[in-house]
Amino acid sequence: DQQVKQNSPSLSVQEGRISILNCDYTNSMFDYFLWYKKYPAEGPTFLISISSIKDKNEDGRFTVFLNKSAKHLSLHIVPSQPGDSAVYFCAASLSNSGYALNFGKGTSLLVTP
Amino acid sequence: DTGVSQNPRHKITKRGQNVTFRCDPISEHNRLYWYRQTLGQGPEFLTYFQNEAQLEKSRLLSDRFSAERPKGSFSTLEIQRTEQGDSAMYLCASSGRGFPRVDEQFFGPGTRLTVL
Repeated sequence: DQQVKQNSPSLSVQEGRISILNCDYTNSMFDYFLWYKKYPAEGPTFLISISSIKDKNEDGRFTVFLNKSAKHLSLHIVPSQPGDSAVYFCAASLSNSGYALNFGKGTSLLVTP
Repeated sequence: DTGVSQNPRHKITKRGQNVTFRCDPISEHNRLYWYRQTLGQGPEFLTYFQNEAQLEKSRLLSDRFSAERPKGSFSTLEIQRTEQGDSAMYLCASSGRGFPRVDEQFFGPGTRLTVL
């Protein structure tokens, strides 16, 4: 069963606008959430993470929001750039299970000039 | 040491053959993870090591899959009697306690397995 879900397979955004990628999870015990970016033929690259004790974490153009009551998190990219075009994976982990990552299926982001 | 490395990058084998993949983690990392990714899916956790101890292996897909990390450095993932359904990208990741964050895993480029 998929514990982490990304319901939008793809997203297209104009350069300079905001990209919002969404993720839902079912296991309320998850205590770390991460976003990874993946280019073809490469392994996933860590972007940003958030602990379950926080509701927002910001790093440059990237901000992750966590809504524990809704079991929902989102990644905001502002402003979007063509180089941001990639597949974005949401992942969740449990600190008491060695932080093994449970991934969603990914959202393919295309940023057009 | 610039990151996690995996060898080979590509492997083509015939059904029924055994294959072995190697992962070299970032040298100061004590945790090492294996994942499998199939087309259209996110990576799926298989197993992980803390130093040389394999602390979770219940998610290995079948008893044909096994992994080792004999000296707490590099790791190998072996698949015996390969099946066409084993065709996938096999990813390795490593992390270190407090380096820079306990939850951040660094991934290698993966080994793409094709079983004919």
